[in-house]
Amino acid sequence: QKEVEQDPGPLSVPEGAIVSLNCTYSNSAFQYFMWYRQYSRKGPELLMYTYSSGNKEDGRFTAQVDKSSKYISLFIRDSQPSDSATYLCAMGFTGGGNKLTFGTGTQLKVEL
Amino acid sequence: DAMVIQNPRYQVTQFGKPVTLSCSQTLNHNVMYWYQQKSSQAPKLLFHYYDKDFNNEADTPDNFQSRRPNTSFCFLDIRSPGLGDAAMYLCATSRGLLAGVDTQYFGPGTRLTVL
Repeated sequence: QKEVEQDPGPLSVPEGAIVSLNCTYSNSAFQYFMWYRQYSRKGPELLMYTYSSGNKEDGRFTAQVDKSSKYISLFIRDSQPSDSATYLCAMGFTGGGNKLTFGTGTQLKVEL
Repeated sequence: DAMVIQNPRYQVTQFGKPVTLSCSQTLNHNVMYWYQQKSSQAPKLLFHYYDKDFNNEADTPDNFQSRRPNTSFCFLDIRSPGLGDAAMYLCATSRGLLAGVDTQYFGPGTRLTVL
């Protein structure tokens, strides 16, 4: 079993839809959680990070963490074609040697 | 703007011909990382430097080496590239926080093709 599981998609939605992207994890030591956006043939770009359970909002993006279920989500409201990319979750913990464990990414396509 | 820069963006090499990829950063971060990412896969950490301290992942082949001559620069050397080494190579940096969230910032990547 992988430490971090993420549905690879592809996920196709119409413009304006609410998108839900998810990851599950097995290591209860993970303390902080990140979402990266990666456009085709580019490097990952940090979108958001959270340190605890609960919600964090930034514009159209909301990150949600449920440590009891070992489940994290990224919601995108009013999705745009420019949101079409691969979304990677990543997680780490203090004392983890400054390393992150990544999911494989979910490919999202927002269609006009 | 502070950033992570990788050169070249695209590199073509021949089977067995050594190649060096370059990464520089203006963030003044303590940690620099090298990842290998193949299509539709998670980035795979090869190694990282915390300042001058080199940390190799247990499953990184000996074919991959790294140098960090100063805070700003880090190099990835592939001594004898094989066809299986064709991938995107990502450089990342972080402050190296020992508590709290140590966010990593990535460069644009170098896409390596092995002929």
